[in-house]
Amino acid sequence: DAKTTQPTSMDCAEGRAANLPCNHSTISGNEYVYWYRQIHSQGPQYIIHGLKNNETNEMASLIITEDRKSSTLILPHATLRDTAVYYCIVHSKAAGNKLTFGGGTRVLVKP
Amino acid sequence: DVKVTQSSRYLVKRTGEKVFLECVQDMDHENMFWYRQDPGLGLRLIYFSYDVKMKEKGDIPEGYSVSREKKERFSLILESASTNQTSMYLCASSLSLGRVPYEQYFGPGTRLTVT
Repeated sequence: DAKTTQPTSMDCAEGRAANLPCNHSTISGNEYVYWYRQIHSQGPQYIIHGLKNNETNEMASLIITEDRKSSTLILPHATLRDTAVYYCIVHSKAAGNKLTFGGGTRVLVKP
Repeated sequence: DVKVTQSSRYLVKRTGEKVFLECVQDMDHENMFWYRQDPGLGLRLIYFSYDVKMKEKGDIPEGYSVSREKKERFSLILESASTNQTSMYLCASSLSLGRVPYEQYFGPGTRLTVT
């Protein structure tokens, strides 16, 4: 799986949008971008994934650049419960369903 | 909703003990996984299973074994626990259909301390 680069940490104001960047410049054509988050003392939670097109679900939006070398996870209205470590993962079926978690971005939502 | 449960949230064992960590999922998923998570090292895959009685080594299988006798249950076994196996252990499950890699659903984790 391709390597990803994320900022180590970021703060966000409650009620504002949180934009979490991820670089994956070595991504190949059959690799998907996945986002997970891990709230303190819990297991990771799946958020969203995409291949080429932008995606939106009830939790977040995923914006993937046209060259697919980077993406942004958007939490539209951050709440205090969104405080967590967010992991950007590039993954392909060829990896046999194995996920490679990097360091992630520690997001602190402040009131 | 998918539910992945783990037998214990916290566990304290002595060096040399045999330790069983149990994981159960209720969504008929084919794939099940065991990870460990340590500060500064992130999540690392220990073993995974893509079917009953099938298992594959992950990145750090040494000192561990697994058992999958039923589709919904995946057990991690520490044959002789050592202090360097003190860690957070996370179980996950996923579907295994089609070309798209499916998202993994994680349990709450077991924090194991070996003294």
